[in-house]
Amino acid sequence: DAGVTQSPTHLIKTRGQQVTLRCSPKSGHDTVSWYQQALGQGPQFIFQYYEEEERQRGNFPDRFSGHQFPNYSSELNVNALLLGDSALYLCASSFKAEQFFGPGTRLTVL
Amino acid sequence: QQQVKQSPQSLIVQKGGISIINCAYENTAFDYFPWYQQFPGKGPALLIAIRPDVSEKKEGRFTISFNKSAKQFSLHIMDSQPGDSATYFCAASMISAAGNKLTFGGGTRVLVKP
Repeated sequence: DAGVTQSPTHLIKTRGQQVTLRCSPKSGHDTVSWYQQALGQGPQFIFQYYEEEERQRGNFPDRFSGHQFPNYSSELNVNALLLGDSALYLCASSFKAEQFFGPGTRLTVL
Repeated sequence: QQQVKQSPQSLIVQKGGISIINCAYENTAFDYFPWYQQFPGKGPALLIAIRPDVSEKKEGRFTISFNKSAKQFSLHIMDSQPGDSATYFCAASMISAAGNKLTFGGGTRVLVKP
């Protein structure tokens, strides 16, 4: 059973560009959450998707948006990139309480 | 009210020793407390988790102690090994139909010396 997978592994963008990150959950998981982890810090919750709807949202601007597909996979979109958006973006999938994380996408904004 | 405070920021322990990491929370509505282990360049891996209806949970060399009245919980790593060298995060969530977002502590970098 494959765990949570994310793509791409690394990404380099310039300020003002837009980016899309992708996540496939563990088999049997129906909920996907996204987190941003700056270097040397704990992950910060961005939002959570369940039944193709955004169920919960953290303190992130509207530039951050997402989508969940019928097969439970998910995308994170970030518009108008800022230097401060450089971070490791983590996807976590869950069925009940336990959240399992993918390897992350390292985004660098120049 | 959503903060989770973790200490120490880093610790060094000899092989075979005990590593102890502490976390404190403010929101009494939290009802799920997991610990994650993260290696450089990797995503966090779930180690062990506890609910507030028990005071201790043990899985192998890892033990969570939970003090509901003090709003504190801790991770003990027994017989620490060099392979345990990683960053450890405590987290907390309130599980409901509205979601179960995790609120993380700041992390503890553990170095186990051989």
